[in-house]
Amino acid sequence: SAVISQKPSRDICQRGTSLTIQCQVDSQVTMMFWYRQQPGQSLTLIATANQGSEATYESGFVIDKFPISRPNLTFSTLTVSNMSPEDSSIYLCSVYTATNEKLFFGSGTQLSVL
Amino acid sequence: SQQGEEDPQALSIQEGENATMNCSYKTSINNLQWYRQNSGRGLVHLILIRSNEREKHSGRLRVTLDTSKKSSSLLITASRAADTASYFCATAWNSGNTPLVFGKGTRLSVIA
Repeated sequence: SAVISQKPSRDICQRGTSLTIQCQVDSQVTMMFWYRQQPGQSLTLIATANQGSEATYESGFVIDKFPISRPNLTFSTLTVSNMSPEDSSIYLCSVYTATNEKLFFGSGTQLSVL
Repeated sequence: SQQGEEDPQALSIQEGENATMNCSYKTSINNLQWYRQNSGRGLVHLILIRSNEREKHSGRLRVTLDTSKKSSSLLITASRAADTASYFCATAWNSGNTPLVFGKGTRLSVIA
């Protein structure tokens, strides 16, 4: 299993500002996945973050808007840049462990943009 | 996209009743998984069923998979108020280190 510490748990931000979300895993993992969940909706994959290489972004998501860092095998950050009210969502990081095919999730960051 | 579609979108039952949720998907898969989410927080893995399996049990959970119909069902027996949550199916086209594609979810309310 994996334990993921994600912070902040929630934030209220002003339009035009940026927020960085952090995820710390209690074990080394190859890939980390960042998802967005808009209100009342399902999870949409933003990007896959590998240590030592640039993140791979899904269609509709770009690095300038959602820069990701992955400095080592236990940590990653996602920044939501130049925020607008449409960015109000829950953001979730997740990982596989080496021996499992199931995802473990952080507790989520509930972002509200005014 | 192989995003799953769950139905119903919302389900309300009495404590002690069984709850059945269905999921359909579009493309070939390696496995299908069910997750639970309480109050918009992180998801918790419930059960995984592989493409060569037809049925799987875990406690009060029973999952079926019909690859010919590209569908799965999750049955929760003898439901409890604590089962109130959103339930999502998720599919993987490959095993390990492949991002999961999540369905739209079913919001289950169990009334005591």
